[in-house]
Amino acid sequence: EPEVTQTPSHQVTQMGQEVILRCVPISNHLYFYWYRQILGQKVEFLVSFYNNEISEKSEIFDDQFSVERPDGSNFTLKIRSTKLEDSAMYFCASSQMGTGNQPQHFGDGTRLSIL
Amino acid sequence: GEDVEQSLFLSVREGDSSVINCTYTDSSSTYLYWYKQEPGAGLQLLTYIFSNMDMKQDQRLTVLLNKKDKHLSLRIADTQTGDSAIYFCAEPHGSSNTGKLIFGQGTTLQVKP
Repeated sequence: EPEVTQTPSHQVTQMGQEVILRCVPISNHLYFYWYRQILGQKVEFLVSFYNNEISEKSEIFDDQFSVERPDGSNFTLKIRSTKLEDSAMYFCASSQMGTGNQPQHFGDGTRLSIL
Repeated sequence: GEDVEQSLFLSVREGDSSVINCTYTDSSSTYLYWYKQEPGAGLQLLTYIFSNMDMKQDQRLTVLLNKKDKHLSLRIADTQTGDSAIYFCAEPHGSSNTGKLIFGQGTTLQVKP
């Protein structure tokens, strides 16, 4: 069964450094998402992406965050200058449609640790 | 605003049934989802139900939906130790046209042998 893959599984970065989290969505999916889960808290929506542009973003997704689909398969999340509070599990998801009527499939996540 | 609430912890004995409950606030949700998260793993789509249904059964899983009370439940029959995980219910954000999901805080299911 097709799946969403994320790399790396764990990223350790010094505060202030840039980090790029990578995702390969399911190949025939058109909508892409990033969520994060701070330890002990709820899974929170960050951003959705469709047709090579951001379709919706949350308050968390400030100017330090950006997303890109550099080629036909990868979908990346960049954090420009990481802060301690960016430490979390980051999940990528994809779906065929973006109306909530098609399920989103998630990757295994990247655990980001900021020192 | 939208909010999804779940109890935090459930402990059952192997072979018993487990019932995980969830309440949501957005009455316009068309689908409601259950995800499973095993230790160290991602969010696995377990099952989902369309809002015009009251019940959906899929092998050992039964989803019940009470739209009037905005209450969703997941019943796992003959619970096994491999069912130990965190279970999240999720609904699409009502005013979003991108399908962003609002998650509950997750229910940790502990299955004792």
